Amino acid sequence: GENVEQHPSTLSVQEGDSAVIKCTYSDSASNYFPWYKQELGKRPQLIIDIRSNVGEKKDQRIAVTLNKTAKHFSLHITETQPEDSAVYFCAASKSGTGNQFYFGTGTSLTVIP
Amino acid sequence: DSGVTQTPKHLITATGQRVTLRCSPRSGDLSVYWYQQSLDQGLQFLIQYYNGEERAKGNILERFSAQQFPDLHSELNLSSLELGDSALYFCASSVDSGGNSPLHFGNGTRLTVT
Repeated sequence: GENVEQHPSTLSVQEGDSAVIKCTYSDSASNYFPWYKQELGKRPQLIIDIRSNVGEKKDQRIAVTLNKTAKHFSLHITETQPEDSAVYFCAASKSGTGNQFYFGTGTSLTVIP
Repeated sequence: DSGVTQTPKHLITATGQRVTLRCSPRSGDLSVYWYQQSLDQGLQFLIQYYNGEERAKGNILERFSAQQFPDLHSELNLSSLELGDSALYFCASSVDSGGNSPLHFGNGTRLTVT
């Protein structure tokens, strides 16, 4: 089955700096890659996603890049703010029956004011 | 608000007991997923239903069971509870079963087993 690895597990940045979280996947058939943000004690919320026919997607300060050849995708947050502090999960999925979502182990991001 | 409703928000019970967690998916979503998240841990997939049928099983214990009803709401039953079952249980819904659409998570049920 699919295996998603996520790095780093913890990340601290100064407010205003950029943060990058990286994920790799093993199944070349995976074709959908969502990112979720989870604040303490709350539900995971979708923040951005990308499909395998696209190399990059941006939404204001957040961007995701995908390298299908290398089987890795990354989340980029620019001009970080304290409210960006949370745990971020990447996931990979592929079309078909059964459980298609494989989550990374999460990155705890702390933005220092 | 994700549109996914989970009840109850909190549940405190004793070891050996049985509880039922309930989830109503977003309007129009046919797939329901259940995840367990222990303290400071990731999301552990338990089980998935699509339009009333079980589609996939993850690391779900035999003491746990689930079903999805004709009105598409789902229930997760946890029995013979142990201290280690204390966790946040999330339900998520998706419009399809094919992994092409994002999951939308409910606010979770926090289960405490004492």
